[in-house]
Amino acid sequence: DAMVIQNPRYQVTQFGKPVTLSCSQTLNHNVMYWYQQKSSQAPKLLFHYYDKDFNNEADTPDNFQSRRPNTSFCFLDIRSPGLGDAAMYLCATSSLKDRGNQPQHFGDGTRLSIL
Amino acid sequence: AQSVAQPEDQVNVAEGNPLTVKCTYSVSGNPYLFWYVQYPNRGLQFLLKYITGDNLVKGSYGFEAEFNKSQTSFHLKKPSALVSDSALYFCAVRDMTGGGNKLTFGTGTQLKVEL
Repeated sequence: DAMVIQNPRYQVTQFGKPVTLSCSQTLNHNVMYWYQQKSSQAPKLLFHYYDKDFNNEADTPDNFQSRRPNTSFCFLDIRSPGLGDAAMYLCATSSLKDRGNQPQHFGDGTRLSIL
Repeated sequence: AQSVAQPEDQVNVAEGNPLTVKCTYSVSGNPYLFWYVQYPNRGLQFLLKYITGDNLVKGSYGFEAEFNKSQTSFHLKKPSALVSDSALYFCAVRDMTGGGNKLTFGTGTQLKVEL
């Protein structure tokens, strides 16, 4: 089945130690998103790619970076994780066919813990 | 700016009874509305969407939603709740800024279905 896969599902890192979360998709969607979600709150969009065009949200901290080397893969890099960055990180994809009225498809997330 | 509001943090219903999870929206222009469900430690799953057409939209797992333009509402409904429907539900509206296929989420409603 076509899907969005996030690895790892659980990640533990130390305060200040860089960490990378990964996302892959088999849907061939041209848009990929990264969200941060804290304790049953609404997902908060960090940034998204339209193909290789990177779009950062205005309030996303500089500590968060992203890379999209090809259509299938997208990475979230946290350069110096702080305790406040402990959260679930969700990757999603969507297609801009049908004038962009298609739903976003989510992976199951990576739960990040900071020691 | 586009926004959605979910006025109830939690909804409790007995199994077999009908359920309603409320959502109201505020948009400029035509609204593109979505419902997602999230089970513990999982990503968001798409349930249904309203773009245009019939005001009653049918979705996955027996859920439906009624679009009401005069009341600016898009409530999620199911005729007979199951214990397995217990989850976190998010209403979302498509954000048209920035060329977008971005979503603005409501704060979420925790649905608890009891025997």
